[in-house]
Amino acid sequence: GAVVSQHPSWVICKSGTSVKIECRSLDFQATTMFWYRQFPKQSLMLMATSNEGSKATYEQGVEKDKFLINHASLTLSTLTVTSAHPEDSSFYICSASSDSNQPQHFGDGTRLSIL
Amino acid sequence: AQSVTQPDIHITVSEGASLELRCNYSYGATPYLFWYVQSPGQGLQLLLKYFSGDTLVQGIKGFEAEFKRSQSSFNLRKPSVHWSDAAEYFCAVGGQAGTALIFGKGTTLSVSS
Repeated sequence: GAVVSQHPSWVICKSGTSVKIECRSLDFQATTMFWYRQFPKQSLMLMATSNEGSKATYEQGVEKDKFLINHASLTLSTLTVTSAHPEDSSFYICSASSDSNQPQHFGDGTRLSIL
Repeated sequence: AQSVTQPDIHITVSEGASLELRCNYSYGATPYLFWYVQSPGQGLQLLLKYFSGDTLVQGIKGFEAEFKRSQSSFNLRKPSVHWSDAAEYFCAVGGQAGTALIFGKGTTLSVSS
């Protein structure tokens, strides 16, 4: 079945550091990728929608200058958390979609801890 | 407003007993409905989906769900729960590809022996 690979799975870094998370569709072309954020014991909240070759669409309240999204190819989208602070610590999950008759496929998530 | 409601935050079921997790949705267009399961620290695994057709859908691990349009519900069921089913379950609704999913707040399932 379709697989979405997300890397890294866990990252710990100092406050002020920028962190890049990759989301790859391994066996299909993902026209659209989504980035979600999940706080402990809470649901997934959509951060942004990314379409290949165009600017990402951010949800209200999500700082686009802080959470940089690049979708340079049909198999790769990246989320960069710039100048990360402890409040950015969270579980980030990406998903990828190829066409309307298939469900989104989720990556295994990235646990980000900012010290 | 578009939303998904999972009324039960936490459910405990005895191993071997039946399970039903409730999900109600509000969505302005034709809904595509999903149930996902998440183990601690892990990503999401798709259990089943409903796009159209037969309103009773079968999924993996012995799960099934029934779409009831009149009740705006998509409840998840399993006739006999196993200890390995203990996890967080999320109901989600979306449109066609290119639209993000809206998730419920999740239901934590505990299985007692």
